[in-house]
Amino acid sequence: GIQVEQSPPDLILQEGANSTLRCNFSDSVNNLQWFHQNPWGQLINLFYIPSGTKQNGRLSATTVATERYSLLYISSSQTTDSGVYFCAAALTSGGSYIPTFGRGTSLIVHP
Amino acid sequence: DAGITQSPRHKVTETGTPVTLRCHQTENHRYMYWYRQDPGHGLRLIHYSYGVKDTDKGEVSDGYSVSRSKTEDFLLTLESATSSQTSVYFCAISRSAIGETQYFGPGTRLLVL
Repeated sequence: GIQVEQSPPDLILQEGANSTLRCNFSDSVNNLQWFHQNPWGQLINLFYIPSGTKQNGRLSATTVATERYSLLYISSSQTTDSGVYFCAAALTSGGSYIPTFGRGTSLIVHP
Repeated sequence: DAGITQSPRHKVTETGTPVTLRCHQTENHRYMYWYRQDPGHGLRLIHYSYGVKDTDKGEVSDGYSVSRSKTEDFLLTLESATSSQTSVYFCAISRSAIGETQYFGPGTRLLVL
């Protein structure tokens, strides 16, 4: 199956700093998503981005499928950005869908 | 927020007992999923469903069974719970497998003693 690696595993920032989280995947995918798990355990979808670039407020994501990586950019970080960021990749075919999640990047933003 | 609820939210049970977790959605999404989350492993897919009575295995399906008799409900059953099944279980939904993001429920914390 697809292997997914995220880096860095841990990140500590001061409020207002920018950061880049990386997700590498081992094979071709047609489904790539980014999620944020807040400190209360809730999982929130950020982007569905199998290719290209998307932006949502201070967050943006870019996936270069041919080079098998995706990047999540967080600008002007806020304490509410703290939590764990996961990417999930899959190659779906004929309705079959088995996503592989990375182990996540744990982000702490200090005020 | 997508309308997804999970019940129970917390459960403590003993080894060898059957356990059923329920996921209920009000979004009429076709796909439903069960994941488990464990430290050091991220989220791993247990089973998923692509329609009523249509289910398939995920990465870690051993020891689990599922059923979907209605669009809105997806049940996960541990026939005989083991301590290795202590975990946080998340349900998710999506309209399809491609082109659509997943929305997660609040999770169920299960402790098997």
